[in-house]
Amino acid sequence: GAGVSQSPSNKVTEKGKDVELRCDPISGHTALYWYRQSLGQGLEFLIYFQGNSAPDKSGLPSDRFSAERTGGSVSTLTIQRTQQEDSAVYLCASSPSFNEQYFGPGTRLTVT
Amino acid sequence: GENVEQHPSTLSVQEGDSAVIKCTYSDSASNYFPWYKQELGKGPQLIIDIRSNVGEKKDQRIAVTLNKTAKHFSLHITETQPEDSAVYFCAARRGGSYIPTFGRGTSLIVHP
Repeated sequence: GAGVSQSPSNKVTEKGKDVELRCDPISGHTALYWYRQSLGQGLEFLIYFQGNSAPDKSGLPSDRFSAERTGGSVSTLTIQRTQQEDSAVYLCASSPSFNEQYFGPGTRLTVT
Repeated sequence: GENVEQHPSTLSVQEGDSAVIKCTYSDSASNYFPWYKQELGKGPQLIIDIRSNVGEKKDQRIAVTLNKTAKHFSLHITETQPEDSAVYFCAARRGGSYIPTFGRGTSLIVHP
């Protein structure tokens, strides 16, 4: 079946502009995660959605970052006033249960 | 919070050799330890996981061992093949939490 999809696959933006990254999770998965992966680094947790519960935003690095999940499905990660240090691969994962996560291919963001 | 250390950062082996990647964790309440494989341009994929009530788990050429007393766990790949070349991440998750902490990854290179 279809896996987690993310769009765009690559995004180049100028410093100070806003960007929106999209994640389409696997149908029926109630949990959705966003991570950031910088070059040579591990996965940095950003935000977690579970069903209709309030999201866990504890990993968001600043108030320039926000995320929504509409109808318990598609999620959008928004970065306002992008900075060069925001350049990274942004990964989305969905999960049907408490354990295994299924990752999308990521969006590579480059801020010039 | 949890801290996960992963070694080595790079591992180069000849085809047919075994490869071992080691991780240590700090939180004794962690009870779930997944391993992910990330190929170039793709998102991480779960390859094997282990829970704290088990000391070892095998799946064909892949095995994971867990030493709760020492708080370390290892990934073992036998009879390595060029297609095993990828970045491998370990992670640890505390009981009752839904957010795993990831190691910084090991780049495994298998030379034909």
